[in-house]
Amino acid sequence: AQTVTQSQPEMSVQEAETVTLSCTYDTSENNYYLFWYKQPPSRQMILVIRQEAYKQQNATENRFSVNFQKAAKSFSLKISDSQLGDTAMYFCAFMKQGSEKLVFGKGTKLTVNP
Amino acid sequence: NAGVTQTPKFRILKIGQSMTLQCAQDMNHNYMYWYRQDPGMGLKLIYYSVGAGITDKGEVPNGYNVSRSTTEDFPLRLELAAPSQTSVYFCASTRLNSFAGNTIYFGEGSWLTVV
Repeated sequence: AQTVTQSQPEMSVQEAETVTLSCTYDTSENNYYLFWYKQPPSRQMILVIRQEAYKQQNATENRFSVNFQKAAKSFSLKISDSQLGDTAMYFCAFMKQGSEKLVFGKGTKLTVNP
Repeated sequence: NAGVTQTPKFRILKIGQSMTLQCAQDMNHNYMYWYRQDPGMGLKLIYYSVGAGITDKGEVPNGYNVSRSTTEDFPLRLELAAPSQTSVYFCASTRLNSFAGNTIYFGEGSWLTVV
């Protein structure tokens, strides 16, 4: 079974600075997908970024980028120029190819301070 | 764009009562899911469905039932509610194509308290 570990329960960053959230996963699969979801206080789950394991290039979406290290099974999220609206819980998630089911980590609570 | 719609948004149940959480999507997605999120935890899969008439158990199915009579709807039934079922419930959906890993769309969540 796959597991996803987020080792940082809480983090904080000053507005306009950069922060990196860590995620590691355990799997014997070779083909899979990784995601970061944001959950603001409204509790809605919002997709931030996704990465296909077969792609070596790290995914980027505006201020959000990932550092995907397949051999190390590491998938960290970097948020640049942090904004107050980035305050939320962030969940790392894994999906095995052909499964269509997400396995979530326990989340990291990020607070952006003014 | 409606996306994934869940009702009700909030509900308080007494121990032993039953209720149904409704979920509907208008994106013609074949995959639908029910997750629960306990305080301070990630989401855990309760049940999922790969299409109308087909359902299967996830990680934590005990105490729940589902049905999928149409592509659009995927209700979650709680029978004999227990305090352990106090949680936030999320319905989600996605479309299967030849490449797995499609974006999964979530509803806004249903807050359920069992007292």
